Amino acid sequence: EPEVTQTPSHQVTQMGQEVILRCVPISNHLYFYWYRQILGQKVEFLVSFYNNEISEKSEIFDDQFSVERPDGSNFTLKIRSTKLEDSAMYFCASGRQGSGNTIYFGEGSWLTVV
Amino acid sequence: AQRVTQPEKLLSVFKGAPVELKCNYSYSGSPELFWYVQYSRQRLQLLLRHISRESIKGFTADLNKGETSFHLKKPFAQEEDSAMYYCALTMGNFNKFYFGSGTKLNVKP
Repeated sequence: EPEVTQTPSHQVTQMGQEVILRCVPISNHLYFYWYRQILGQKVEFLVSFYNNEISEKSEIFDDQFSVERPDGSNFTLKIRSTKLEDSAMYFCASGRQGSGNTIYFGEGSWLTVV
Repeated sequence: AQRVTQPEKLLSVFKGAPVELKCNYSYSGSPELFWYVQYSRQRLQLLLRHISRESIKGFTADLNKGETSFHLKKPFAQEEDSAMYYCALTMGNFNKFYFGSGTKLNVKP
């Protein structure tokens, strides 16, 4: 069964550094998302992406964040200048029409900012 | 504002006992409700969605619009059911999901 894959599984970075988290959504999916979960807190929506543009973003998704679909398979989340409070698990998800609005998650990328 | 509430952070039951994980929501329209499960160190996996009215791994959930609830139930818990369970809501059309804070289910032998 196809799955959403994410890399890296864990990254440690220094405050102020740029980070790129990568995701390969399920191949016939057209809706893409990033969510994050700070340790001990809820899974929170960051951004949704469809038809090569952002369809919605949360207030968390400020100018430090950007997303890109550089080719036909990858979907990336970039954090330009990381802050300590960006430490979290970042989940990529994807969905397609006909799946009843179900979205499928990757295993997550654990980001630690020091 | 849309909100999903899971009042229990931790639920411990013995194997074979019934289990009910509570989920309440607040939303003025007609949301779609889901249960996702996360086994240790694994991804969030879809368990149930209310529109399909199916039973997966013995779990069922009924949407009660009057009580705005979508409780997850299983008559006989198994040890392999131990996991984090998240209730989630979406307005449909692939809009964002709102997640509850999760309930950790611990099934003891």
